[in-house]
Amino acid sequence: GEDVEQSLFLSVREGDSSVINCTYTDSSSTYLYWYKQEPGAGLQLLTYIFSNMDMKQDQRLTVLLNKKDKHLSLRIADTQTGDSAIYFCAETNDYKLSFGAGTTVTVRA
Amino acid sequence: DAGVTQSPTHLIKTRGQQVTLRCSPKSGHDTVSWYQQALGQGPQFIFQYYEEEERQRGNFPDRFSGHQFPNYSSELNVNALLLGDSALYLCASRFSGANVLTFGAGSRLTVL
Repeated sequence: GEDVEQSLFLSVREGDSSVINCTYTDSSSTYLYWYKQEPGAGLQLLTYIFSNMDMKQDQRLTVLLNKKDKHLSLRIADTQTGDSAIYFCAETNDYKLSFGAGTTVTVRA
Repeated sequence: DAGVTQSPTHLIKTRGQQVTLRCSPKSGHDTVSWYQQALGQGPQFIFQYYEEEERQRGNFPDRFSGHQFPNYSSELNVNALLLGDSALYLCASRFSGANVLTFGAGSRLTVL
């Protein structure tokens, strides 16, 4: 079965880097995703990585994947107040996404 | 491109009632999935529709049913509502050959 775990809260100062961690259990996952959810809104895809990659960079976002340890992380460089949101890690091996409970990121001035 | 649109955005029902939620997928997408997001939790997969048929289903009772229309839009129906059905219901669409889901803003259901 699938199980995705994330830490629940992260507080970061504006301008610093944020690192959000996630572990998953399904070794057959083909893609891993990071979604962002702002209050009252749906999910916005931030980035995703194929399971045969170990790193992907997209502007301020860097995704690291350690497939051996089933560990995924999202680094946000130069964190801004607009980055305050809930971030979800998700895995998929076929037709559905399995999500973690989300990490609430609070950016303080 | 309007993306994925869902209606209604909010609704309140009482226990035992029935509800229908609607979803229009993003232009060019032919596959629609529904997810339930309870407060403080991540979304849980309900089912997926492709070519007007339910293809895969998550761990949800038969009270949850759906439909996909020839224009790819979809409905989620929930019968005999329980308090525990209160949640944000998210519709997501993709092109059948792609790996990326686009989510709508959701329909927030409150059951009293």
